[in-house]
Amino acid sequence: AIQMTQSPSSLSASVGDRVTITCRASQGFRNDLGWYQQKPGKAPTLLIYAVSTLQSGVPSRFSGSGSGTDFTLTISSLQPEDFATYYCLQDYNYPWTFGQGTKVEIK
Amino acid sequence: QITLKESGPTLVKPTQTLTLTCTFSGFSLSTSGVAVGWIRQPPGKALEWLALIYWDDDKRYSPSLQSRLTITKDTSKNQVVLTMTSMDPVDTATYYCARSLRGYCGVGSCPNWFDPWGQGTLVTVSS
Repeated sequence: AIQMTQSPSSLSASVGDRVTITCRASQGFRNDLGWYQQKPGKAPTLLIYAVSTLQSGVPSRFSGSGSGTDFTLTISSLQPEDFATYYCLQDYNYPWTFGQGTKVEIK
Repeated sequence: QITLKESGPTLVKPTQTLTLTCTFSGFSLSTSGVAVGWIRQPPGKALEWLALIYWDDDKRYSPSLQSRLTITKDTSKNQVVLTMTSMDPVDTATYYCARSLRGYCGVGSCPNWFDPWGQGTLVTVSS
């Protein structure tokens, strides 16, 4: 199974900060990765699929990039509603695997 | 509007079999490229992918749980059912179902994603 190592596991940031979250895969692939946001007590929601395609309705301050083994989620200017936990998910091969999550907290 | 909702017992005893039903609306599991998956999340922990069933009845399972899981669909009822045998307290988690879509398949890449998700159902395993 492909292991997805997500970093950092948590971070503290202020409103307006630029935030970067990384997922490193144990084997490379091209386009088969998505990012999900989960707020406390809620189901995850899709932010980005196919590495860099923004899901409809998701603010443009979210962006994704990467290829091979290293993938990145960037929030260009953190907003109060962005404080949440973020997960990457590879769907290159089975079993699909999630990263361990990154909790974004208010500084 | 696309919705999914999980249903099933909130409490099961160790060694029992768990049966969860995902009832969905707003899409068809007969459409090419569509699937429904199950994902779980123990309290305070990360998400774990469990199983997936495709429009063509192709089924995929987490290898670590494959011997305990069965996923089936009833297209006429818009339902997907997951059964998990030999439940243990470590299986205590919120169980989610989600629709999966498949995007453009190029050379060496065929991206899929989960959207939307159901609200989840907490299953506690305890005697």
